[in-house]
Amino acid sequence: DADVTQTPRNRITKTGKRIMLECSQTKGHDRMYWYRQDPGLGLRLIYYSFDVKDINKGEISDGYSVSRQAQAKFSLSLESAIPNQTALYFCATSDPTGSDSYNEQFFGPGTRLTVL
Amino acid sequence: QQQVKQSPQSLIVQKGGIPIINCAYENTAFDYFPWYQQFPGKGPALLIAIRPDVSEKKEGRFTISFNKSAKQFSLHIMDSQPGDSATYFCAAISGSARQLTFGSGTQLTVLP
Repeated sequence: DADVTQTPRNRITKTGKRIMLECSQTKGHDRMYWYRQDPGLGLRLIYYSFDVKDINKGEISDGYSVSRQAQAKFSLSLESAIPNQTALYFCATSDPTGSDSYNEQFFGPGTRLTVL
Repeated sequence: QQQVKQSPQSLIVQKGGIPIINCAYENTAFDYFPWYQQFPGKGPALLIAIRPDVSEKKEGRFTISFNKSAKQFSLHIMDSQPGDSATYFCAAISGSARQLTFGSGTQLTVLP
């Protein structure tokens, strides 16, 4: 979805390096999410944020940290990357004020991260 | 421990066939069940969703069947087309935070 952008799209790094993945959205949504996708495991939630001052851990937050710089920006950091963090990372947004109760999430195009 | 179990992992059908993807859950707190479709190089996108008080929902060629007593639900794609080739994820939602729990995904290939 062009309304949710992620940078970089691909990144190769080495074990122990610090890396930041960035997400920006123009949808005006308050809620933002970071997921990782691994083959055979689906998407797993890393962190989520309901607004700039509300950040919550997801299922697999160990080894990751996040920063919500503004309503439109949500960054994911790996303080010291390790090979098992090699995965496809997705940012998503949703609008809690919508009338539907299935909290439709809008995903960015993903960042493919390789940790050597 | 995967809260939403999805099968099969991959599926190949001929054009016009009816692929069926199955999901099962244990957590009775789940109260909404969406399916997401993901094309290569793209993020997932919502395809169709169902509430547990409904046994079936159709949107175009896509149908969700829901069996609340068995805690199972499935996606059927009628008259499948090569353009339906994608990865499909079932999911379940619970709690006031409306968090999504995804299944492991099914890679569907529709042959021309």
